[in-house]
Amino acid sequence: SAVISQKPSRDICQRGTSLTIQCQVDSQVTMMFWYRQQPGQSLTLIATANQGSEATYESGFVIDKFPISRPNLTFSTLTVSNMSPEDSSIYLCSVVVQGSSRDEQYFGPGTRLTVT
Amino acid sequence: AQSVTQLDSHVSVSEGTPVLLRCNYSSSYSPSLFWYVQHPNKGLQLLLKYTSAATLVKGINGFEAEFKKSETSFHLTKPSAHMSDAAEYFCVVSDRAGGYNKLIFGAGTRLAVHP
Repeated sequence: SAVISQKPSRDICQRGTSLTIQCQVDSQVTMMFWYRQQPGQSLTLIATANQGSEATYESGFVIDKFPISRPNLTFSTLTVSNMSPEDSSIYLCSVVVQGSSRDEQYFGPGTRLTVT
Repeated sequence: AQSVTQLDSHVSVSEGTPVLLRCNYSSSYSPSLFWYVQHPNKGLQLLLKYTSAATLVKGINGFEAEFKKSETSFHLTKPSAHMSDAAEYFCVVSDRAGGYNKLIFGAGTRLAVHP
């Protein structure tokens, strides 16, 4: 398994501003992902964070709105840009640990974002 | 495309009685299936996974799930509910299209346990 931390754990932001969320893992991982969980909803994959190259976005998510960086094997950031109240969600990162099944993902504790 | 359907949005049981959370899947090939649990204000925790080995999978905290290909089901069970089992449970299928393993989450089942 892996120990995953996210910063901040929660934030309240004004519309039109941007927030960058950090995800740090205590061991090297092969893959990192970012998910969104809207209030009362299930999880939806935003993108796969690729080390040293542009992230791979899922349908309905674009780089201008959710820019992602992954400078090394243990760290990634997700920025929520030009926020609106509809962006109020929990944002979670997940990882696939080196040596484990490609299917098995471990999740961070999440960042609870409220946009006013 | 892969998908999962959780048949109950809410399940309520009494402490000490059995738990059954239902999940049906759709997959064009032999799937990898998971159950995750999310306690209030906490992160997601992997309960168990099925990856084409034994069809009866045992997980943590006394939970188990049985893969039934003929019924395309992967129901989660526990013989005796505990108050600490109250949480949101997600059935998940792994989609291997595109060269990586994307997780597709069900809508979730909220389990309530009453004294």
